[in-house]
Amino acid sequence: QSVLTQPPSASGTPGQRVAISCSGGISNIGSNTVHWYQQLPGTAPKLLIYSNDQRPSGVPDRFSGSKSGTSASLAISGLRSEDEADYYCATWDDRLKGPDVVFGGGTKLTVL
Amino acid sequence: QLQLQESGPGLVKPSETLSLICTVSGDSISNSTYYWGWIRQPPGKGLEWIASFYYSGNTYYNPSLKSRVAISVDTAQNRFSLQLSSVTAADTAVYYCARHSYPRGATPGLYYYYFMDVWGKGTTVTVSS
Repeated sequence: QSVLTQPPSASGTPGQRVAISCSGGISNIGSNTVHWYQQLPGTAPKLLIYSNDQRPSGVPDRFSGSKSGTSASLAISGLRSEDEADYYCATWDDRLKGPDVVFGGGTKLTVL
Repeated sequence: QLQLQESGPGLVKPSETLSLICTVSGDSISNSTYYWGWIRQPPGKGLEWIASFYYSGNTYYNPSLKSRVAISVDTAQNRFSLQLSSVTAADTAVYYCARHSYPRGATPGLYYYYFMDVWGKGTTVTVSS
């Protein structure tokens, strides 16, 4: 059971806009910034969005992130076949035993 | 260009200690303001953070693994290591090392700013007799 909750799957057709949610609590998303990672099949994760809504150099502006309260969202517009991948949200969780990094369970995006 | 490369045995027996090395090129572990860490991914499952450290500061651990995890740093070889003791089949996974960076304008060292911006390709470890 992941600390952060993501839908296990999402889908869309080329050109569509899809959104992937990430729900947490006060000690994690409610207190810290959220980051998103894309994992293409058979490869290592890649940073997609950091600090809620910032794109690293080289990430297309089709990808955007947002955060509100204890939830965050990743949006992909103009969906393309190469966007088919697993997407993970992550943040720090300020627990009593000490801070730690928590991931969502991941969302498998299928481009129909 | 920063690169991270994981290495270690691909097969470990149950109850033994898993030992992995992450070799860093393109940056110095000791002269930086970054965190460095380990993450794993069991077959067909999601990402699980193991531990991260700041060279001149704290080390943070996944509470569920903390009693079995040790992190060490070899500055001469510019690499860091993971040791996971008393392994079981549940520790079978792809193990990644990663650098954590911080956004421009943020104060270096404050953990809550950091995100994993560069990852190694991963190494597969199977626990089996």
